[in-house]
Amino acid sequence: AQSVTQLGSHVSVSEGALVLLRCNYSSSVPPYLFWYVQYPNQGLQLLLKYTSAATLVKGINGFEAEFKKSETSFHLTKPSAHMSDAAEYFCAVGSSNTGKLIFGQGTTLQVKP
Amino acid sequence: NAGVTQTPKFQVLKTGQSMTLQCAQDMNHNSMYWYRQDPGMGLRLIYYSASEGTTDKGEVPNGYNVSRLNKREFSLRLESAAPSQTSVYFCASSETLRQPQHFGDGTRLSIL
Repeated sequence: AQSVTQLGSHVSVSEGALVLLRCNYSSSVPPYLFWYVQYPNQGLQLLLKYTSAATLVKGINGFEAEFKKSETSFHLTKPSAHMSDAAEYFCAVGSSNTGKLIFGQGTTLQVKP
Repeated sequence: NAGVTQTPKFQVLKTGQSMTLQCAQDMNHNSMYWYRQDPGMGLRLIYYSASEGTTDKGEVPNGYNVSRLNKREFSLRLESAAPSQTSVYFCASSETLRQPQHFGDGTRLSIL
């Protein structure tokens, strides 16, 4: 069975500060992993995906994530937060067997001026 | 460039009423999905369709039915709505099961 845990339902940073959103997963088969972002009253948009080609994955809007197999983690980072980054972020793990995604509970990012 | 279109955007139902949520994608994707989003629970998969002509249960299928009408359209039906089905429903599509999913803007459904 697969699962994903996002540590911290709310994260608050100052504009210009480092953003770190944590995601840990469990999977009995090689996983593929995604980060999505959701702005208010909208659907989810893909930020980045990991599919085993490289452990450091770069996404849109300056975000990146590093796959660490030994820690079963896929944390999302951005060096300098912008006000427009305020949104809810979801980590998701997919099975290479079934293709179905399991989503984490989400982390709301607040960016303070 | 519409992507994934969901109708309606909002709906209020009474307990016991039935309703069909519509979803259409214009990206020629093979796979389509229905999720529900509830506060603090992320998105949970209700049903999915790996390809035209197939449907499978997800994590929370009870109380729902789906129809993959053709390659473009995937509908979700509530036969007898219950207050526990109050949620935001998202439809998504992807080229295949293992590719990134593209989401619609959601249907906000309240059941009184």
